[in-house]
Amino acid sequence: ELKVEQNPLFLSMQEGKNYTIYCNYSTTSDRLYWYRQDPGKSLESLFVLLSNGAVKQEGRLMASLDTKARLSTLHITAAVHDLSATYFCAVIIQGAQKLVFGQGTRLTINP
Amino acid sequence: DSGVTQTPKHLITATGQRVTLRCSPRSGDLSVYWYQQSLDQGLQFLIQYYNGEERAKGNILERFSAQQFPDLHSELNLSSLELGDSALYFCASSVAPGVNQPQHFGDGTRLSIL
Repeated sequence: ELKVEQNPLFLSMQEGKNYTIYCNYSTTSDRLYWYRQDPGKSLESLFVLLSNGAVKQEGRLMASLDTKARLSTLHITAAVHDLSATYFCAVIIQGAQKLVFGQGTRLTINP
Repeated sequence: DSGVTQTPKHLITATGQRVTLRCSPRSGDLSVYWYQQSLDQGLQFLIQYYNGEERAKGNILERFSAQQFPDLHSELNLSSLELGDSALYFCASSVAPGVNQPQHFGDGTRLSIL
């Protein structure tokens, strides 16, 4: 059974700092997604990572994928308050279509 | 706005009752997915339909059922409701299974069981 684990689950940081959220998964997969969720809101797609070594950047967020290590990272650069949200990684099981989500990382950025 | 429409936004009902949640996918999307989000279980995949046919099943209880209609909208039926069914239910859609695009999520239906 595919397990997806995020680390850390809670992160409180100051504006201007850098930090990384880690996402480990237990079995082979060829697609990994990052989503953002604001409190009480829907999930917003951030990145789709499709191959080993894939790196995608949008603003202060950069995501990467290492399929050999079964690891994805979401790096936040010079954090700003607007990035406060819960971030989920999700993996698709090869040959299936169901997304398996990590527990989510609740990120709080303090002024 | 993801283009995925879910109704109702909120639903309050009692134990033992039955409810129907509705989802209209984005224009052009043929695949619909249902997820349950709760504090203790996190985000869990329930079921997927593609062009009217069930494609994948996850941790969906026997008391729950779903279908996708010819116009591609989908309904999730929850019956014999229990307190533990209180959760946020999301619908997502994508063009098709296997396509390298994200699933787009609706705003969810918040179900509260009293």
